[in-house]
Amino acid sequence: QSALTQPPSVSASPGQSVTISCTGTSSDVISYNRVSWYQQPPGTAPKLIIYDVSDRPSGVPDRFSGSKSDNTASLTISGLQAEDEGDYYCSLYTSSSTWVFGGGTKLTVL
Amino acid sequence: QVQLVQSGAEVKKPESSVKVSCKASGGTFSTYAITWVRQAPGLGLEWMGRIIPILGVTNSAQRFQGRVKITADRSTSTAFMELSSLRSEDTAVYYCASVRIIGTTSFDYWGQGTLVTVSS
Repeated sequence: QSALTQPPSVSASPGQSVTISCTGTSSDVISYNRVSWYQQPPGTAPKLIIYDVSDRPSGVPDRFSGSKSDNTASLTISGLQAEDEGDYYCSLYTSSSTWVFGGGTKLTVL
Repeated sequence: QVQLVQSGAEVKKPESSVKVSCKASGGTFSTYAITWVRQAPGLGLEWMGRIIPILGVTNSAQRFQGRVKITADRSTSTAFMELSSLRSEDTAVYYCASVRIIGTTSFDYWGQGTLVTVSS
C-alpha cells in the first residue's frame, strides 16, 4: 500500500508563492499520472483543484499548478491570496484500484 | 455539473450500524462511480470505498473490509454507505464524491458531508 507524505504546514505572505510536496513511498507515484489535489477551507467539503498531476478543472485559477518529479508530486500556488488559506490534500489512485490521501498540509497566509 | 446531496447527521451507539445516503443530480449517474471518504475531527481525509453503479462493482480499503457495505439504487441515482460495528473512532464527517468511470481518477464533485457521532 502506497503512503503519501506531505508537510504538516506551510506559510507565506500575500502575493508570494508556496509549494506543497507529496512524496510517495512506492513506485505508484512514479508510474502513473493519477495524482490529484484538493483544497479544503475550514468547515467545508474538499474541492478538486488539480487532477492528473497538472490539469486544472474549469473555474480553478491558473495561480494553482501541479507537477511531478520522480516519486514526488507538487502543488504550487502563486500570487497567494487570503482566501487560499485552508488544508490541502494530495491523492493517488493506486495500481490496486484504491485511493490513498496524503496527511494534509495546512496553508497559512501571513 | 453533478450535485451530491447527503443525508443528515446521525448519533449512534457503539456496536450499532449507520447508513448514509448520497443522491446525485445534474449528471448521468451511469457515467460515474461514487466513492466514500471520511474525516475524523481534526484529522485528514481517508478513502473508504467505491461503487460503480452501472456495474454494481464495489471495492473498499482493506481496513474497512467486512464492516463497510456500499450500494447504489440506479432508479433514484442514490448511493449508500453502511458502516457496522461502530466504535468511537468512527466519529467523523463522511463524504461521498463522484469519480468518472472513464478518464481521470479524481474526485470531481463532493457531497456536503454527514456527521456521524458514535457515543454511548
